[in-house]
Amino acid sequence: GNSVTQMEGPVTLSEEAFLTINCTYTATGYPSLFWYVQYPGEGLQLLLKATKADDKGSNKGFEATYRKETTSFHLEKGSVQVSDSAVYFCALSAGANSKLTFGKGITLSVRP
Amino acid sequence: NAGVMQNPRHLVRRRGQEARLRCSPMKGHSHVYWYRQLPEEGLKFMVYLQKENIIDESGMPKERFSAEFPKEGPSILRIQQVVRGDSAAYFCASPPGLGYGNEQFFGPGTRLTVL
Repeated sequence: GNSVTQMEGPVTLSEEAFLTINCTYTATGYPSLFWYVQYPGEGLQLLLKATKADDKGSNKGFEATYRKETTSFHLEKGSVQVSDSAVYFCALSAGANSKLTFGKGITLSVRP
Repeated sequence: NAGVMQNPRHLVRRRGQEARLRCSPMKGHSHVYWYRQLPEEGLKFMVYLQKENIIDESGMPKERFSAEFPKEGPSILRIQQVVRGDSAAYFCASPPGLGYGNEQFFGPGTRLTVL
C-alpha cells in the first residue's frame, strides 16, 4: 500500500535559519506529491505540489523536488520567519480515486 | 480554503449521543473526501463520495460511522453512539476541478469532543 514517512519533530529554529523537513514515500504507481501546512485551529492549506519526477514545487520561499530515485520529497526554505510556525504534512495521491495519504506531520516553531 | 465549508466548527457530545458533521464543497463541485485527524497524528482517509454515491469507503470504521452526499444539500458524516476515541478533528476536502490535477482543498474542519 501507499505510505508517507516524515522526520520526527518538533523542530525549533531561529528566524532566518535554513529549514529542511524530510519526507519519503512508498507508492504503487506514479504518485503526485504534496506539502500541506496547518496553522493552529485551521484546516490544511496546499503549500506546493509536484506531479512527476524531477519536478520542483515552490511557493512562499518553500521548495521541494520530486526525487523518484530516492522516493523523497524534502521541503526546504532558505530563511524561515516566525509566521512559518505551523504543522507541515507531506502527502501523496495515487490511484484512480486520488485519495491522499499523509505523513504524521511535523510541528515547526520559529523563534524571533 | 477555497470555499469548502464545514459546520459546526466545534461539536461537543456525550458518550452514546450522535454526531452529525456537514460539508459543502466548492459551489458546483460534486466530489467530497472525508479525513480524520486524531490528536498528534496525521490525517487518515475515511470516505470518498460523489453526489448520491459512495465511491470508496475503505477508511471508514465498520460500525457506527456512515456518510452520505445527497442530491441536494451538504455531505453528512454521521457518527452514532459516540465514544471518547471518536474525539478528533474531521476534515472534508474537495478537488478544485478540471485542469488542477489531483490536489484537494480542505475545509476548516469540525473538532469533535466526546465527554
